[in-house]
Amino acid sequence: SQQGEEDPQALSIQEGENATMNCSYKTSINNLQWYRQNSGRGLVHLILIRSNEREKHSGRLRVTLDTSKKSSSLLITASRAADTASYFCATPNSGGYQKVTFGTGTKLQVIP
Amino acid sequence: GAVVSQHPSWVICKSGTSVKIECRSLDFQATTMFWYRQFPKQSLMLMATSNEGSKATYEQGVEKDKFLINHASLTLSTLTVTSAHPEDSSFYICSALRLLTGLRGTGELFFGEGSRLTVL
Repeated sequence: SQQGEEDPQALSIQEGENATMNCSYKTSINNLQWYRQNSGRGLVHLILIRSNEREKHSGRLRVTLDTSKKSSSLLITASRAADTASYFCATPNSGGYQKVTFGTGTKLQVIP
Repeated sequence: GAVVSQHPSWVICKSGTSVKIECRSLDFQATTMFWYRQFPKQSLMLMATSNEGSKATYEQGVEKDKFLINHASLTLSTLTVTSAHPEDSSFYICSALRLLTGLRGTGELFFGEGSRLTVL
């Protein structure tokens, strides 16, 4: 079963605006990862945040993790048309630390 | 960065034939690889965990005789869809696990570009 649930399911913004996506999960984790998927393509790893971290930055990406609320957020600043993609959070399966379960994803559209 | 190559990118086959998809980690060794299936507009569903030198571990509901997985080397895992039928048409994605140092028991997943299978 899916553990990560992204919110919103779809997001449409103008180029230059910031995009925020949220992810909630159910069980305890030791890390959470965000991925991007362009239509019909494989996934690209964006960032990994460990359970003892609260915030992490990578370029225009900012990820936060709140383990008490079992939630994470991904912020893309100064969005570009090329950021148009689906974004997934992924958490290790409780049944095996090496497994990763993907959420349903947020489909982001950045309008030029 | 690490690269995972998946081949073929797309394949069309007749019903009843078998199709093999390869997943290679190009610049790191991966004792563990994963195979996912993705239906249109849906998330990835884990099919099986491929372990080098041992049998794959299949998720519940995935037919192991239908989806044969072989992980014969540290850089190659193959998924063979046997006796394919139209309902097997899907986007199949593999990933290879590169273990992280300092965070025991977990790692970073690198994904292939995916293989789109169409069974006529």
